[in-house]
Amino acid sequence: DAGITQSPRYKITETGRQVTLMCHQTWSHSYMFWYRQDLGHGLRLIYYSAAADITDKGEVPDGYVVSRSKTENFPLTLESATRSQTSVYFCASSSGNTIYFGEGSWLTVV
Amino acid sequence: AQTVTQSQPEMSVQEAETVTLSCTYDTSENNYYLFWYKQPPSRQMILVIRQEAYKQQNATENRFSVNFQKAAKSFSLKISDSQLGDTAMYFCAFMKLRSGNTPLVFGKGTRLSVIA
Repeated sequence: DAGITQSPRYKITETGRQVTLMCHQTWSHSYMFWYRQDLGHGLRLIYYSAAADITDKGEVPDGYVVSRSKTENFPLTLESATRSQTSVYFCASSSGNTIYFGEGSWLTVV
Repeated sequence: AQTVTQSQPEMSVQEAETVTLSCTYDTSENNYYLFWYKQPPSRQMILVIRQEAYKQQNATENRFSVNFQKAAKSFSLKISDSQLGDTAMYFCAFMKLRSGNTPLVFGKGTRLSVIA
């Protein structure tokens, strides 16, 4: 009963590098989400997906790319990481009115 | 677009006392859900309580209850008999009710400290 898992949990990368955060869920939920959490901002939506091959922008999509080739996976890619993308990233999936969160990925861009 | 406002960045309460966290929201929707999430230092997001807007009765979960005022667009969380383990960030969140799932919109959070 893995639920929703994120990897890596902790990552340090350099400015300009490409980074991919992985998200995998075992429930076959249609909807998946990526949020970032920064001090003073709460959680802000980056991208979300209603189903495989269907994605949509959230509040703060700039600098991020997502894909959803399989229902269970929803990777988030930072194509050229910047220091402003240092944050904690949460993946989530939902069924009905219940949203399930992963444990978060701590990303530091130096 | 929906917005959620938590006007209290930080609060503290004595152990065993009662504390109320405030949340207001702005929406033109009539059908929606409201949530309170707890985030302890581990950063895990834990659902505390959920309220359906079409229900007049306030939701309760053990020591946690809400005061939902739909006309005023207010959704406060009351924690009774506060415990040290209640120390955490608390986020208020809004979800539109549609045929498909919609993303949660979060407030900026209230950091609650329970003091022994």
